[in-house]
Amino acid sequence: DADVTQTPRNRITKTGKRIMLECSQTKGHDRMYWYRQDPGLGLRLIYYSFDVKDINKGEISDGYSVSRQAQAKFSLSLESAIPNQTALYFCATSDPRGRGDNEEQFFGPGTRLTVL
Amino acid sequence: LAKTTQPISMDSYEGQEVNITCSHNNIATNDYITWYQQFPSQGPRFIIQGYKTKVTNEVASLFIPADRKSSTLSLPRVSLSDTAVYYCLVGDMKGGSYIPTFGRGTSLIVHP
Repeated sequence: DADVTQTPRNRITKTGKRIMLECSQTKGHDRMYWYRQDPGLGLRLIYYSFDVKDINKGEISDGYSVSRQAQAKFSLSLESAIPNQTALYFCATSDPRGRGDNEEQFFGPGTRLTVL
Repeated sequence: LAKTTQPISMDSYEGQEVNITCSHNNIATNDYITWYQQFPSQGPRFIIQGYKTKVTNEVASLFIPADRKSSTLSLPRVSLSDTAVYYCLVGDMKGGSYIPTFGRGTSLIVHP
């Protein structure tokens, strides 16, 4: 969905480097999410944010941190990258103003990260 | 903890109807069932959502029995472009809010 953008789209880095993945959205949604996807596995939630002042850990937050700079921006950082963080990372947004539960998520195009 | 169980993979042929069933025995009373489609190297895309009985849109139909412990996504007359991974989601209650939880999904391959 063009309304959710991620940068960079591809990144190769070395073990121990700090790296930041950025997500921006123009949908005006309050809720934003970071997922990682490994081959053959589904999407696993890393962090989520329901508004600018709300940050929550997902099921696999170890080794990651996030920053919600504004309603439209949600960044994921790897403070010291390691090879098993090699994966496809997705950002998503959703709007709770509709039903409130299980609302539709809109995903970005993904960032393919390789840690050597 | 609301979890889902789906077949890991399915094969079909062009023009056939495909039914993918998802089990969610611990679904919460207020939770909806949502299905997403994901093509390789793309983010998942919402395709349909329902609470009970039957929901139909231009892409698919969703059948939910009265006990809501399972649901079936039905794709009519599939084409090669329907080859994708299909995820069934129910919410996961955390701190009073529902968090979408993806499983491994069902990899559908449509053959000519």
